Amino acid sequence: EAQVTQNPRYLITVTGKKLTVTCSQNMNHEYMSWYRQDPGLGLRQIYYSMNVEVTDKGDVPEGYKVSRKEKRNFPLILESPSPNQTSLYFCASRPTSGRAYEQFFGPGTRLTVL
Amino acid sequence: GENVEQHPSTLSVQEGDSAVIKCTYSDSASNYFPWYKQELGKRPQLIIDIRSNVGEKKDQRIAVTLNKTAKHFSLHITETQPEDSAVYFCAHRTGGYNKLIFGAGTRLAVHP
Repeated sequence: EAQVTQNPRYLITVTGKKLTVTCSQNMNHEYMSWYRQDPGLGLRQIYYSMNVEVTDKGDVPEGYKVSRKEKRNFPLILESPSPNQTSLYFCASRPTSGRAYEQFFGPGTRLTVL
Repeated sequence: GENVEQHPSTLSVQEGDSAVIKCTYSDSASNYFPWYKQELGKRPQLIIDIRSNVGEKKDQRIAVTLNKTAKHFSLHITETQPEDSAVYFCAHRTGGYNKLIFGAGTRLAVHP
């Protein structure tokens, strides 16, 4: 089944404790992206990657890091989480050729930073 | 120049009525305009999209219209049903085509 997966789905942590949220897709998509969703603000892009070893900042990159060492994986790293990073996070992927339009979302990761 | 404004933020209709959600953008280079539906606790799912060379697209009870001159696009849902209740997001792909910018969302409630 073609899908985007994220782990963990739920995470409660404390300020300053480094964490990684994994994202994996099995559709051989070149483009991957991370969003955060907050009430009244919609989905805001954190980082995106056009292909392996190619990443770029989105609209709200502060406090986050990403890496793209393999085509299928795009982990989101919070080196020192703070309470304002409490949010619902979505990973997404799409191809960059052919039907390079439809973006597929993962199931989401709900993060709480105390 | 990349933001998209979405209205209304909440919409309540009776079952069987129509619902219309409107979005306005400012980047004249935008060329792709999807609409996503997000049910409670679920991921956003694409329900319909339109490209800049098309003015209107319809898929059963949902339709999207695009006015590139005025830089706005709308989602129309006819004969609404309770299962249409969800949050709907518009989005547009900006010039450069690397970013999808989302509206703030519209919470639609369809009452039986």
